Amino acid sequence: GQSLEQPSEVTAVEGAIVQINCTYQTSGFYGLSWYQQHDGGAPTFLSYNALDGLEETGRFSSFLSRSDSYGYLLLQELQMKDSASYFCAVLYNFNKFYFGSGTKLNVKP
Amino acid sequence: GAVVSQHPSWVICKSGTSVKIECRSLDFQATTMFWYRQFPKQSLMLMATSNEGSKATYEQGVEKDKFLINHASLTLSTLTVTSAHPEDSSFYICSAGASGRTETQYFGPGTRLLVL
Repeated sequence: GQSLEQPSEVTAVEGAIVQINCTYQTSGFYGLSWYQQHDGGAPTFLSYNALDGLEETGRFSSFLSRSDSYGYLLLQELQMKDSASYFCAVLYNFNKFYFGSGTKLNVKP
Repeated sequence: GAVVSQHPSWVICKSGTSVKIECRSLDFQATTMFWYRQFPKQSLMLMATSNEGSKATYEQGVEKDKFLINHASLTLSTLTVTSAHPEDSSFYICSAGASGRTETQYFGPGTRLLVL
């Protein structure tokens, strides 16, 4: 089976840096993705890591350690519009995704 | 960029009726699409994998006779909720990977179903 753990809620102030951790137990692991979802909206793709290391895309970075079954999403220079839910998702058995329960990020002025 | 549309965005129906939800990839072809269900403040749960030209693959616990999936073309998959009941009320979302890249999924805007 698949299991993912991520914090349920995180609060940070505008301009700050926040890290959202994700640990997983997965069979047939291919990679770890991160998605952002605003209230009432659909998830949007942020990043995908198949190999160990850090991937940077603008203000967002994602990290994966396959040996530790661990990854994180790093958001820098937080903006109010970053307030949303962030889901880590494992890609397993080549073409299936299992989503974590999501982390609600509250950005305060 | 890759765009996925869903129709309708909202549907309210009476208990016992069937509801069809369409998922279209607008600017790319998708041999595989995925259907998810999301309850309020919960995660996305994969319901089934829709395969063009063949039968859908359902996740454990999802009734294939209740949630009928048809992937008739490379740009269209449909989910029909048959004999809907109030417990089927949820947010249904489809996704597809462009250019065969499963690791990057593009999600439709979702369909909110309310069964009275």
